[in-house]
Amino acid sequence: SQTIHQWPATLVQPVGSPLSLECTVEGTSNPNLYWYRQAAGRGLQLLFYSVGIGQISSEVPQNLSASRPQDRQFILSSKKLLLSDSGFYLCAWGRGLTEAFFGQGTRLTVV
Amino acid sequence: QKEVEQDPGPLSVPEGAIVSLNCTYSNSAFQYFMWYRQYSRKGPELLMYTYSSGNKEDGRFTAQVDKSSKYISLFIRDSQPSDSATYLCAIPRNKLVFGAGTILRVKS
Repeated sequence: SQTIHQWPATLVQPVGSPLSLECTVEGTSNPNLYWYRQAAGRGLQLLFYSVGIGQISSEVPQNLSASRPQDRQFILSSKKLLLSDSGFYLCAWGRGLTEAFFGQGTRLTVV
Repeated sequence: QKEVEQDPGPLSVPEGAIVSLNCTYSNSAFQYFMWYRQYSRKGPELLMYTYSSGNKEDGRFTAQVDKSSKYISLFIRDSQPSDSATYLCAIPRNKLVFGAGTILRVKS
């Protein structure tokens, strides 16, 4: 069966510090991979998606970047965090457009 | 106009009530409709999906699509405190587009 791992679960970072969130998927190959952000009381905002190694599509211009160095590894990064980067970050995988299986999320607080 | 609109609630009901959660969408070409459930501080999990019009039932849950009015609904019968969560509708376009989510609280 497929599993998705996302860490850390909680993170508190100062403004201006770098960020690296990692997500890995097991039990499948060549998945579509997604990074979403969920602000308090708001829906899921798609940040990045990837259909293959090295292929990253950005949905929203912002202070973040994503990379896919391996087939089942997806990394969300920032060089300098802003207060507005606080939120709940979710990684997800899917085999097509009609499905997304989510990790447990990382709650990021920028102080 | 947003592609998917959903009332964020919160919706508070007594245990055993029938719950109706709703979304509207803008593009009549959409064919797949999905419902996710998200417990507090967890990632969303796929609850149900439907294709085109009509109803789909799974235990206490029924998903309904009315394409003429571009309206999708999720009904929960005999609601339980364990149903307390945020429910998000989603529509696959070139990616999944989510509604804002409705917070449901079932009081025992």
